[in-house]
Amino acid sequence: QKEVEQDPGPLSVPEGAIVSLNCTYSNSAFQYFMWYRQYSRKGPELLMYTYSSGNKEDGRFTAQVDKSSKYISLFIRDSQPSDSATYLCALGGSYIPTFGRGTSLIVHP
Amino acid sequence: DVKVTQSSRYLVKRTGEKVFLECVQDMDHENMFWYRQDPGLGLRLIYFSYDVKMKEKGDIPEGYSVSREKKERFSLILESASTNQTSMYLCASTGTGSVETQYFGPGTRLLVL
Repeated sequence: QKEVEQDPGPLSVPEGAIVSLNCTYSNSAFQYFMWYRQYSRKGPELLMYTYSSGNKEDGRFTAQVDKSSKYISLFIRDSQPSDSATYLCALGGSYIPTFGRGTSLIVHP
Repeated sequence: DVKVTQSSRYLVKRTGEKVFLECVQDMDHENMFWYRQDPGLGLRLIYFSYDVKMKEKGDIPEGYSVSREKKERFSLILESASTNQTSMYLCASTGTGSVETQYFGPGTRLLVL
């Protein structure tokens, strides 16, 4: 079993939809949780990070962590075509995070 | 804002050539990383460095070497390029006080013919 599992998609949604992206993990030692966004042919950029269970909100984005279930989510409200990208989760307990393989999101007008 | 730059966006090389990929960061970060990214395989760590002249192997170091002579610069070297090294190469850096947040460069897309 891989340490971090993430469905590669693609996930295709209409503009304005609420998007849910998820990762599951097996290592309970992970202490911090991040989401990166990667546009085609670009490097990943940090979107959100959190240390604790619960929700963290930033504009249209909400990161949710459930340590008891070893499950993290990223919600995107009012999705836009500009949100079309690959979203990678990353989890860490030391200074080298473990990345999921990424979920490709397509938001069509 | 942290800026991580990579020397080339696209490179085409021949099998057997020696290839240098360079990465520079401007935030005085101690830690620097080289990844490769392939469809279906995600990000895989090649090498990392936590200080000048220090290097540690990642998950897939075979066929690669690195050099870190200055804090801001981390080079990845393909001693003898092979077609299976065709990939997207990404450099990243983090500071000791914020090790959880990696800042990535734009990537170098390498094609080995």
